[in-house]
Amino acid sequence: DVKVTQSSRYLVKRTGEKVFLECVQDMDHENMFWYRQDPGLGLRLIYFSYDVKMKEKGDIPEGYSVSREKKERFSLILESASTNQTSMYLCASSLQGNAYNEQFFGPGTRLTVL
Amino acid sequence: GENVEQHPSTLSVQEGDSAVIKCTYSDSASNYFPWYKQELGKGPQLIIDIRSNVGEKKDQRIAVTLNKTAKHFSLHITETQPEDSAVYFCAASMYNNNDMRFGAGTRLTVKP
Repeated sequence: DVKVTQSSRYLVKRTGEKVFLECVQDMDHENMFWYRQDPGLGLRLIYFSYDVKMKEKGDIPEGYSVSREKKERFSLILESASTNQTSMYLCASSLQGNAYNEQFFGPGTRLTVL
Repeated sequence: GENVEQHPSTLSVQEGDSAVIKCTYSDSASNYFPWYKQELGKGPQLIIDIRSNVGEKKDQRIAVTLNKTAKHFSLHITETQPEDSAVYFCAASMYNNNDMRFGAGTRLTVKP
């Protein structure tokens, strides 16, 4: 079974803090994604990566950055957390050669910024 | 870019009844339409998908239909059970395109 794990289930941070969200997948997937999930808005793509050290902006990259130094690990960084970044963050991965793009999701990190 | 709309946002049915969730998409180039189920405290999980070369696909109590002309697709769950209660997301993407667009989600509640 594909397993995608996220470093924290719940996280509380203060405005202005630098926040790191970590994601690890164990199935040697090339593609990794970070989404933000908000009620009524569904899943919105923040960034994705199709290879080590490669990244592409999604729909809402402002205020976020990412890092992919190893194939299995994809980090989301909030440079200076703000209250409007309070949300559920979901990491996902998929095979490069999977033409129909099934994505496997982690359990999510619920981030609260005070 | 692709835009996916999903209705209804909430749906409540009695156990044993059927549930239908509908989605529309805007980009006629989209050719892959997965459905994900998100249970409480978990990430979304693929439950069924359909490709643009077929109009219907069924897996036990779950079926998905696709109307390419009208650019809409639907999820049908028959004989609903309490364990079907979850949030369901539709999505659309193009072949080998990692830019998958999700609908806003439908919270399905199945009352025993």
